[in-house]
Amino acid sequence: QVQLVESGGGVVQPGGSLRLSCAASGFDFRIFAMHWVRQAPGKGLEWVAVLSRDGDREAYSGSVKGRFTISKDNSKNTLFLQMNRLTREDTGVYYCARDAAEYYYYINVWGTGTSVTVSS
Amino acid sequence: DIQMTQSPSSLSASVGDRVTITCQASQNINKDLNWYQQRPGKAPRLLIYDASILERGVPSRFSGGGSGRQFSLTISSLQPEDSATYYCQQFDNVPLTFGGGTKVEIK
Repeated sequence: QVQLVESGGGVVQPGGSLRLSCAASGFDFRIFAMHWVRQAPGKGLEWVAVLSRDGDREAYSGSVKGRFTISKDNSKNTLFLQMNRLTREDTGVYYCARDAAEYYYYINVWGTGTSVTVSS
Repeated sequence: DIQMTQSPSSLSASVGDRVTITCQASQNINKDLNWYQQRPGKAPRLLIYDASILERGVPSRFSGGGSGRQFSLTISSLQPEDSATYYCQQFDNVPLTFGGGTKVEIK
């Protein structure tokens, strides 16, 4: 079945870095855009980044632009989020998600999320 | 960035009630709007895309409407399993943005 499984979350100090991974299975990873969406504790959803299916277009929210990088490895069916210069405001659950289209349209598959805590 | 404002932020209704949630965009987004449901402790789930198209497998008691700047999500007959938080999200332009959410509770 279609599945997204995130990993790489944990506790990191402010200013540190973390790399999240998302293993995709059950569908052709190469033909859909992929997103990261996060949710701070007790708060709403916040879109983080999108990568086009071909990997040639990407976009970021203003709060992470210049610090986070989205990428993927088609040979391993894996999506990544490299997070640098982390702040306490980056704490939350990070969801990997699949779009229905080649860039952005609607998200119809979600992972279960991985938790990131930025704390000293 | 396009701002999405949902109202109300929370509501409490009885089983069988008709419930409507509204979402307003800060600028014209045509029909580039999606609705998601998130139950406690779970990942979000797509309900409606393109403002009014029901995702496969979503019960027909859910419906969406609107265009331009004003949108709505209606649950025609509220069920216990509809207890959740609902989010609108625009895809007219990046950065994609979500509304603040509407928490629906069952009386």
